[in-house]
Amino acid sequence: SQTIHQWPATLVQPVGSPLSLECTVEGTSNPNLYWYRQAAGRGLQLLFYSVGIGQISSEVPQNLSASRPQDRQFILSSKKLLLSDSGFYLCAWGQGYPLTFFGQGTRLTVV
Amino acid sequence: DQQVKQNSPSLSVQEGRISILNCDYTNSMFDYFLWYKKYPAEGPTFLISISSIKDKNEDGRFTVFLNKSAKHLSLHIVPSQPGDSAVYFCAARTDTGNQFYFGTGTSLTVIP
Repeated sequence: SQTIHQWPATLVQPVGSPLSLECTVEGTSNPNLYWYRQAAGRGLQLLFYSVGIGQISSEVPQNLSASRPQDRQFILSSKKLLLSDSGFYLCAWGQGYPLTFFGQGTRLTVV
Repeated sequence: DQQVKQNSPSLSVQEGRISILNCDYTNSMFDYFLWYKKYPAEGPTFLISISSIKDKNEDGRFTVFLNKSAKHLSLHIVPSQPGDSAVYFCAARTDTGNQFYFGTGTSLTVIP
């Protein structure tokens, strides 16, 4: 069966520090991968999606970047965090509309 | 381990009729439930929510019902409109509020 792992579950980082969130998927190959963010009181916002290794599409301009070094690995990064980067980050994968499997999320607090 | 399940990947309903989307969960520690709506090429948007202390919440054409004993959640849309055609995700939050668990989505098609 397919599983998705996302870590860490919670993270508190100072302003200006770097960020690296990792997501891995097991049990499938060549999945579509997604990073979402939910800020307080809002719905999920799509940040990045990837249809293959090294292929990243950015949905909104921001202080973040994403990389897909391996087929089932998706990384969300920042060189210098801003206060506005605080939120709940979700990794997800899909392979066949409309099924989308979500990771359990990372609660990021920038202080 | 899928703690929130939407067993119907798709649903088709005639315009004007009722749409019922179902969601089941396994974790009795969930205390807050949400429905999201998603159009193609967009992120999901929040639709309606319900706390575990209630069994019904209504917002216009949308009503969410919660049956805690059965660990079952449903979203009713009455009357259904073509613009309601989208993918609907059910989600649940633990009492600590740190994690969200999402279902896999149900694609609703409202036929004019």
